[in-house]
Amino acid sequence: SQQGEEDPQALSIQEGENATMNCSYKTSINNLQWYRQNSGRGLVHLILIRSNEREKHSGRLRVTLDTSKKSSSLLITASRAADTASYFCATDAHTGGFKTIFGAGTRLFVKA
Amino acid sequence: ETGVTQSPTHLIKTRGQQVTLRCSSQSGHNTVSWYQQALGQGPQFIFQYYREEENGRGNFPPRFSGLQFPNYSSELNVNALELDDSALYLCASSLGDLTENGYTFGSGTRLTVV
Repeated sequence: SQQGEEDPQALSIQEGENATMNCSYKTSINNLQWYRQNSGRGLVHLILIRSNEREKHSGRLRVTLDTSKKSSSLLITASRAADTASYFCATDAHTGGFKTIFGAGTRLFVKA
Repeated sequence: ETGVTQSPTHLIKTRGQQVTLRCSSQSGHNTVSWYQQALGQGPQFIFQYYREEENGRGNFPPRFSGLQFPNYSSELNVNALELDDSALYLCASSLGDLTENGYTFGSGTRLTVV
């Protein structure tokens, strides 16, 4: 499969708790992105981290990148019911032609 | 003018038919990518166009083809439809060098092949 791997596949937490999702990938990358998708519609870009960066913050989001382990994590702090969605990581790679490879996603459910 | 628009939103086709899906890029974007997303899966990269040229392709057969027009809008054509082609087809646009804003996605076209 071309896809990266994400874990957990599904996560259920209480409102106010933190949610952590992990992503692993296989090839050398230029950057890694995280997206959110509600109800099988379009994806919304959350954050992009470049291969020379190790950590990035945006509001309640914190992303880390470990290129030696080919892995990334997304932390959502103080989760809200509105954060309920599927979260995907994506990597852009230029080996053998350009490709964007998405993980299989983590389904997050935040209980009010 | 902001955002990516896709048409139609839903489509039902018969096996063996051909289909054309359309995408209007976000204003100022010169790159468009197409993805296929099966239910419960992540999007699978079909191909990307940059300034009217294909510059990357995923593991899809030649019956999946595309075009990008001078105004950077795009079409995805699928010939000889198969039942497994039933999926959500997503279009995304960006600048040639991806910025901090990532890809901007449309809401998708839900294709059902019967």
